[in-house]
Amino acid sequence: NAGVTQTPKFQVLKTGQSMTLQCAQDMNHNSMYWYRQDPGMGLRLIYYSASEGTTDKGEVPNGYNVSRLNKREFSLRLESAAPSQTSVYFCASSDGTGAGEQYFGPGTRLTVT
Amino acid sequence: GENVEQHPSTLSVQEGDSAVIKCTYSDSASNYFPWYKQELGKGPQLIIDIRSNVGEKKDQRIAVTLNKTAKHFSLHITETQPEDSAVYFCAAGGTSYGKLTFGQGTILTVHP
Repeated sequence: NAGVTQTPKFQVLKTGQSMTLQCAQDMNHNSMYWYRQDPGMGLRLIYYSASEGTTDKGEVPNGYNVSRLNKREFSLRLESAAPSQTSVYFCASSDGTGAGEQYFGPGTRLTVT
Repeated sequence: GENVEQHPSTLSVQEGDSAVIKCTYSDSASNYFPWYKQELGKGPQLIIDIRSNVGEKKDQRIAVTLNKTAKHFSLHITETQPEDSAVYFCAAGGTSYGKLTFGQGTILTVHP
């Protein structure tokens, strides 16, 4: 039981390049989330998926797209990376039946030059 | 939407002392208040949570208190140990599909 896994762990992009961050969970959770973490700003929600087949914007969605590929996988895509997207990205999941614990992956550290 | 403020941003204590971190929230509809601990290079991990029908909850050396009227909640760590050194986040949620709004984080350092 791996919990929540994320790939890659580290990535360096040049401005304008695109990439997809992958996330998978093996806990049969309904809801999945993408956050970014910047110094002094906590964790900010980018997008979430309440259930398979649905996605919604969070607090900071501009510049990102997401895909809930199936119940296990939730990917985050940067179409044209910008230096302002340099951050640590975390994926999380929860069973989604109301308020409850979110389980986080180990994170992806992204640098955009 | 919900807004969560967390203080202090850094906290330094001696081993054995107590540590208190405070959070305020804005949405009176929020009913779930978790606390997460993040160690260096890892994702956040839940350490304790409280729901709005409870005023206080304890788990060994950690406790959380909630004042719904004042819209604030606090984390208390007693008999701190060096392994308690980490970043702590409060959060509020419960109104929509498990979404949480996080505070800015507190860097806790426990000196031996």
